[in-house]
Amino acid sequence: QSALTQPRSVSGSPGQSVTISCTGTSSDVGRHNYVSWYQQHPGKAPKLILYGVSERPSGVPHRFSGSKSGNTASLTISGLQAEDESDYYCCSFAGSHTYVFGTGTKVTVL
Amino acid sequence: EVQLVESGGGLVQPGGSLRLSCVTSGFTFRSSWMGWVRQAPGKGLEWVATINPDGSEKYSVDSVKGRFTVSRDNPKNSLFLQMDSLGAEDTAVFYCAKFCSGAGCDGTFDFWGQGAMVTVSS
Repeated sequence: QSALTQPRSVSGSPGQSVTISCTGTSSDVGRHNYVSWYQQHPGKAPKLILYGVSERPSGVPHRFSGSKSGNTASLTISGLQAEDESDYYCCSFAGSHTYVFGTGTKVTVL
Repeated sequence: EVQLVESGGGLVQPGGSLRLSCVTSGFTFRSSWMGWVRQAPGKGLEWVATINPDGSEKYSVDSVKGRFTVSRDNPKNSLFLQMDSLGAEDTAVFYCAKFCSGAGCDGTFDFWGQGAMVTVSS
């Protein structure tokens, strides 16, 4: 049950796009489409922003999108905004009702 | 409005025990899979445990097996985490989380509590 691998940090200017990768194995990300993404501001609880690889819950802006290829899932934030500066975590079902989170990525808006 | 409110956190000595509670409202608790996720200071999220709606199925991460027990009281809309043999490595904010139950959202934590801090130290 090793954590999924994410870049430690990514940054971009307002209006630009940034992409966060989430690399797992053929036992988790590569096997299932139960990949979700969470946004966490400092001192706050995580908030769901994507599920099922690319589905957005109600209320989540369209600038958040997701995809998956092989053992790697990705979150793209298009048209970066100041309020998107936060920590982001991916999560994947890993079989037998177990879950594994990513190492987390800090997004900085320059 | 969905709400999850944890309580029971605090300072405990190594080897000690603590019981976290999570009182919920705003959704049909008795039909929902529930879980606990923790976050050590300055670290990432870690799934801890999951329990099915009637409490007959429980799953946990290897590092807490035999020490932590998840349970629930459906009439009281409450989730619990009994933590025994605590060590310094268990110091973390513990979040109660609800699993999404809609079509296509399996394996997703759709609502989270505000967290309860557990500090294991002498």
